[in-house]
Amino acid sequence: DVKVTQSSRYLVKRTGEKVFLECVQDMDHENMFWYRQDPGLGLRLIYFSYDVKMKEKGDIPEGYSVSREKKERFSLILESASTNQTSMYLCASSGRVGNEKLFFGSGTQLSVL
Amino acid sequence: TQLLEQSPQFLSIQEGENLTVYCNSSSVFSSLQWYRQEPGEGPVLLVTVVTGGEVKKLKRLTFQFGDARKDSSLHITAAQPGDTGLYLCAGRHAGGTSYGKLTFGQGTILTVHP
Repeated sequence: DVKVTQSSRYLVKRTGEKVFLECVQDMDHENMFWYRQDPGLGLRLIYFSYDVKMKEKGDIPEGYSVSREKKERFSLILESASTNQTSMYLCASSGRVGNEKLFFGSGTQLSVL
Repeated sequence: TQLLEQSPQFLSIQEGENLTVYCNSSSVFSSLQWYRQEPGEGPVLLVTVVTGGEVKKLKRLTFQFGDARKDSSLHITAAQPGDTGLYLCAGRHAGGTSYGKLTFGQGTILTVHP
């Protein structure tokens, strides 16, 4: 079975902490994405990457950064966590550009206190 | 951000009933996907429609892409408790500044009671 694995299911952090969310895919996919999911807002794209060491801003990149040092791993970084970053974070990957299917991880529920 | 309006936001029905979920936009999409998400899991793709007017069936689920490729619907016949979940539509923009971008609707939380 193909898999997108997110390192933590639940995280609780304090305001101002630096937070790392890790995502690994085993499908040799070029494209990887970070979304946040909030009730009534659907999924909103934070950052994405089409290749190693490449990153592009999504719709809501403020307060976030990413790192893709290896093809299979895409990390989301909250430089200084704030309470409005409490959310469900979903990582996804896909193959070739086009009508590609997104494969999602199970999500990380982050609470910032 | 160009919006994809999904309705209704909540749907609570009895087993055996039929239902329809709608996704509407003023944007034209090159394709539209429907995902289903269960609690504690990420969304899973159900179907992709790419041609205006296209209809796809997946057992009791029927997906339709509007003729102008601006809207889509998901119809479930004789809903079962196993259909319970969050349904998300996602459109890939066909032009403009959002070309190629995937935009998600707000989601429909479906609860089917036995």
